Amino acid sequence: QKEVEQNSGPLSVPEGAIASLNCTYSDRGSQSFFWYRQYSGKSPELIMSIYSNGDKEDGRFTAQLNKASQYVSLLIRDSQPSDSATYLCAVNFNQAGTALIFGKGTTLSVSS
Amino acid sequence: DAGVIQSPRHEVTEMGQEVTLRCKPISGHNSLFWYRQTMMRGLELLIYFNNNVPIDDSGMPEDRFSAKMPNASFSTLKIQPSEPRDSAVYFCASSFGTSTEAFFGQGTRLTVV
Repeated sequence: QKEVEQNSGPLSVPEGAIASLNCTYSDRGSQSFFWYRQYSGKSPELIMSIYSNGDKEDGRFTAQLNKASQYVSLLIRDSQPSDSATYLCAVNFNQAGTALIFGKGTTLSVSS
Repeated sequence: DAGVIQSPRHEVTEMGQEVTLRCKPISGHNSLFWYRQTMMRGLELLIYFNNNVPIDDSGMPEDRFSAKMPNASFSTLKIQPSEPRDSAVYFCASSFGTSTEAFFGQGTRLTVV
């Protein structure tokens, strides 16, 4: 069974703080990992992808991957109210061009 | 780039009626995915196509659901007959090659009364 698990939240942080979002997945052989952001009433939007163990930084966002622990996380530095959204973790369980499996998402609320 | 285009954006129909959702993927993308999103179940994969061929339809909930991709620029998801529990937002997404970075359309909000 292919599963992607996330804490549904809500995760509440004050403006300027670091938000930490976590995700675990069931298949040790998974190769590709993604974070999507979804504002209420909108479609998911890709914000980060990561394929290798370690950290990947893009502006205020850092994705972290630990394949041995089957764990991927997203850090948002200097959180802004505009970051308030649901963050979806997505995993590709096979090497070929197959479909992403999504977690149910974590709702983040950044208060000003 | 127009992105993935879905129609209609909203659909309200009566139980028992046939519903057809439409999707135009990003030009040049060769994989297309249909997802359904509800509060309870999150974003579920229904079916995906690669080079217009259905690869995995194990997520299609029942025989009432069917999907086609007659060419590289068009796909449909049909529900016949529709039921109130089919009410959800249906997303179409596409990607290129094996990169698996999927790009989503704006979704179709389906309400079955």
